[in-house]
This record gives sequence, C-alpha cells and structure tokens, in this order.
Amino acid sequence: DTGVSQDPRHKITKRGQNVTFRCDPISEHNRLYWYRQTLGQGPEFLTYFQNEAQLEKSRLLSDRFSAERPKGSFSTLEIQRTEQGDSAMYLCASSLGGLGETQYFGPGTRLLVL
Amino acid sequence: DQQVKQNSPSLSVQEGRISILNCDYTNSMFDYFLWYKKYPAEGPTFLISISSIKDKNEDGRFTVFLNKSAKHLSLHIVPSQPGDSAVYFCAALTGTASKLTFGTGTRLQVTL
Repeated sequence: DTGVSQDPRHKITKRGQNVTFRCDPISEHNRLYWYRQTLGQGPEFLTYFQNEAQLEKSRLLSDRFSAERPKGSFSTLEIQRTEQGDSAMYLCASSLGGLGETQYFGPGTRLLVL
Repeated sequence: DQQVKQNSPSLSVQEGRISILNCDYTNSMFDYFLWYKKYPAEGPTFLISISSIKDKNEDGRFTVFLNKSAKHLSLHIVPSQPGDSAVYFCAALTGTASKLTFGTGTRLQVTL
C-alpha cells in the first residue's frame, strides 16, 4: 500500500495528558498537511510542510499543538495538556506540490479526550 | 466565515438516477476546486477536480460543473450506485495558498 498512513487510528486519553500522532506521506510527495475534522464539519486546515519546513500554521493551532517533519518524510503532531475540545479526527494529507495540486488523505486518527 | 458552503446536508437518490450535489463559495480568489468522498472512519478520497479556467470536467460517471459568475459548482453522478453512498465534500484552493478550504459536506444515500 503506497498511500498515506497514520498511526494510531484511534486514541483515547484523559484530559491533561499529551498525545502524539504520526503520519507517513506518499513517498515522492514533498508537501504534507494536517487537518482536523469535528462532527458535522468539513476538515479544517491546521498546518503544512514543504519538505522539512513548516510554511503555514492556522490560528486553530494553539501553543499546545506542535508539528514536526524532521527529515522531510514522516511527520508528527503532538498535543500537550489535552482538553475535551481537542476530541476530533486528525487527518494527514500529502501532495506533490504546485498549482492545483491534489491532496491525498490518510485514514485519520480519531482522538477522544475524556 | 464559511467560504465554501454545501447547503444540503443530505440527499437521497434512487439507484440508476442522477445525483446532483451543489457547492457555493464566496472567495473570488479560489481558482481550483475538488470533490472528495468520505466513508465513515476513513479519510477523504479524491474524486474529481476542476480549474477555474474550465467550466466542466468529466471522469467516468462523475462530472463537475463550474459557474464562476455565480460562484457555484456541482457534482453530477450518473448513474448513481449504492456504493456511492457516502459524505461528499467540496473543497477549494487559491493559487497562492496550499490549504484546502472545505464545505460541511452532503450525505448521499443511494437507495435500491
């Protein structure tokens, strides 16, 4: 399978704990994106990387959130001191880049904060 | 503000008939539009896209129409099949930004 993969697929945590999610993009894709989707809404942009450089962050990405893509391959998204409002589906996507690029999504990580 | 709107939360269509899903946008800077399909517990799957320089793009059973003056696009699925039952998201890009802006989705149910 050469699509975008995410791990874990599900995570249940208690409020105040830290969680980390991993995304492995399609191998030749140099852009990687994180989105968050809550019930009844479309995915909302969080941040994206061009290779290892983080080029844009949404205002949704509070200081409790940090994302990295250390070698321009896989990426991690960490949430510190989780809150119940962080419960959502976290989606990763990748693309080749360029105008009109198509972003291909992974299966997502569903986070539940108790 | 919701820059991409899908005003119909759900749609039910009989198998074999045409499904028409609608999307409106407010940002005139959007110049590329995509449709994604999403099954429960899975990530969105890319279906079809259209550039703002075109007014129609077709791929098999799926056709997307773009009306720039009305800031409206639609996805036509014909003939509809039970496997098409899913949530469909309209998304938009500007030429200078990489982030997708999504609508809230339309749940399509194709009945036998």
